[in-house]
Amino acid sequence: GENVEQHPSTLSVQEGDSAVIKCTYSDSASNYFPWYKQELGKRPQLIIDIRSNVGEKKDQRIAVTLNKTAKHFSLHITETQPEDSAVYFCAASFLGGNQFYFGTGTSLTVIP
Amino acid sequence: DAGITQSPRHKVTETGTPVTLRCHQTENHRYMYWYRQDPGHGLRLIHYSYGVKDTDKGEVSDGYSVSRSKTEDFLLTLESATSSQTSVYFCAIATGTGAFGEAFFGQGTRLTVV
Repeated sequence: GENVEQHPSTLSVQEGDSAVIKCTYSDSASNYFPWYKQELGKRPQLIIDIRSNVGEKKDQRIAVTLNKTAKHFSLHITETQPEDSAVYFCAASFLGGNQFYFGTGTSLTVIP
Repeated sequence: DAGITQSPRHKVTETGTPVTLRCHQTENHRYMYWYRQDPGHGLRLIHYSYGVKDTDKGEVSDGYSVSRSKTEDFLLTLESATSSQTSVYFCAIATGTGAFGEAFFGQGTRLTVV
């Protein structure tokens, strides 16, 4: 089955700096890559996703890039704010698949 | 809001007792999932369902069983609770085509086994 690895496990940045979280996957059949944000005590919520027919997708201060050849994808958060502090999960799946395969999460702390 | 609720939200139970967690959805989605979340392990799949009476195991299914007798309800049972099953449990539904689309999570159930 698919194996998703996520790095780093913890990340601290100064407010206003950028944060980058990286994930790799093993199954070349995977073609859908969502990112979830989980605030303390809350449920994970989708913040952005990308499908394998595009290399990059942006939504305001967040962006995701995908390198299918290298089997890795990354989440970029620019101009970080304290409310960006949370745990972020990457995931992979594919059309016709039954399961989401999650990374182990990155705890991001934005220092004011 | 994808209309998913979990019950109970918090539970404390004794070792060796059976426990059932309920996940209820209002939008007729086919796929439903149970995950547990533990520090350092992220979200680990326990069981999932792809239709009424159609279920399959995830990576950490030992000690757990599930049932789905109606589209809207997916039950997770700990047959004989152990302290290692103390965790936060999340139910999720797939709102797209199988796992090709957003997973929408319930609010979670914090289970403590003493």
